[in-house]
Amino acid sequence: SQQGEEDPQALSIQEGENATMNCSYKTSINNLQWYRQNSGRGLVHLILIRSNEREKHSGRLRVTLDTSKKSSSLLITASRAADTASYFCATDSGTYKYIFGTGTRLKVLA
Amino acid sequence: GAVVSQHPSWVICKSGTSVKIECRSLDFQATTMFWYRQFPKQSLMLMATSNEGSKATYEQGVEKDKFLINHASLTLSTLTVTSAHPEDSSFYICSAPRDLATSTDTQYFGPGTRLTVL
Repeated sequence: SQQGEEDPQALSIQEGENATMNCSYKTSINNLQWYRQNSGRGLVHLILIRSNEREKHSGRLRVTLDTSKKSSSLLITASRAADTASYFCATDSGTYKYIFGTGTRLKVLA
Repeated sequence: GAVVSQHPSWVICKSGTSVKIECRSLDFQATTMFWYRQFPKQSLMLMATSNEGSKATYEQGVEKDKFLINHASLTLSTLTVTSAHPEDSSFYICSAPRDLATSTDTQYFGPGTRLTVL
């Protein structure tokens, strides 16, 4: 399968805690993106990190990229109940044909 | 910002009927669009690349005669699920990159179409 792997598959934390999810992929990439999807809804773009970048921040989000290990992580700090959603990484090798990870289902308990 | 729309947002049909889903780029031209399928509690899987003015290219395992794609204009791609069966029930999402000339821009995803085949 071309699909990337994410772990954990599911994560349940208390509000205020940090959530970390990891993504591993198989081929060389141009960029990697993280998306959020609320149940039954469309994708919300969170952050894009390019292959020559190692870390990016956006608000409470921090993404790292290690191309030597073909892996990325998404950290959500000070989580809120509204962060409850599924999170997907997607890699682009330069063709815009995204390969999505298997996703992490995050549940933030109030 | 760029917006990609899909119509309908949901559809319920009887087994054996055909269903057409539209994907439109609202404020930019898209010579290429992509169609993804997402089964419940699973990730998105790329089905095909829709090319304006030429045939779509399909990913391995996707039946081109089952999923007809027509890129009618620079802002519209349609996916027709022919002779739909319950196993075709899924969430179908399209996407369009704004500028193929560079890799500095991201893609824009439509809100998705939920197809339920009875």
